[in-house]
Amino acid sequence: DIQLTQSPSSVSASVGDRVTITCRASQGLSNWFAWYQQKPGKAPKLLIYDAHSLHAGVPSRFSGDGSGTEFTLTITSLQPEDVGTYFCQQLNNFPFTFGPGTKVEIK
Amino acid sequence: QVQLVQSGAEVKKPGASVKVSCKSSGYTFSDHYIHWVRQAPGQGLEWMGWINPESGGTESAQKFHGRVTMTRDTSLSEVYMELRGLRYDDTAVFYCVRIRRGAFDYWGQGTLVTVSS
Repeated sequence: DIQLTQSPSSVSASVGDRVTITCRASQGLSNWFAWYQQKPGKAPKLLIYDAHSLHAGVPSRFSGDGSGTEFTLTITSLQPEDVGTYFCQQLNNFPFTFGPGTKVEIK
Repeated sequence: QVQLVQSGAEVKKPGASVKVSCKSSGYTFSDHYIHWVRQAPGQGLEWMGWINPESGGTESAQKFHGRVTMTRDTSLSEVYMELRGLRYDDTAVFYCVRIRRGAFDYWGQGTLVTVSS
């Protein structure tokens, strides 16, 4: 199975700050890679697919980058509504796997 | 608009089975595979398997082999996930999700399954 690790596990930042979350894979991946945001008590929502494509309706302050074994999610200007947990996912090989999550809070 | 609506919360005893339903609307049911993901309380996301709504073909994660069955009813645009031999550590929220462009683009609201004696 492909293992995904995320760093940091949590981040506390101020409104307007730039926040970057990194996801590393145990083996090289194609671009079948996604990022999700989950708020407490809610289902996750897709933010980024194909490693760098913005899902419809997602604010442009979110962006994805990376290839191979290292991928990043960047929030260019953190907003209060961005509080939640962010998960990466690989969809290259079965079983599809998720990273453990990064909790984003407002300082 | 695309919606996946799941059945309500369940409480089951250890060893029992649970069947969760997921009704799709707002798109052509047969056009997109449906996957199942679970999330134990306070934990991360775990992929369980998929079903092809057109053919009924399925594949599940190795850890669920022999315990999970995924089916569909095309006349109702519904898919179902049955998990047998429930254990305490099966307590989780179960999600059905649609896959498109290599990502899970729409999620059901989740179904909490609690295993308790």
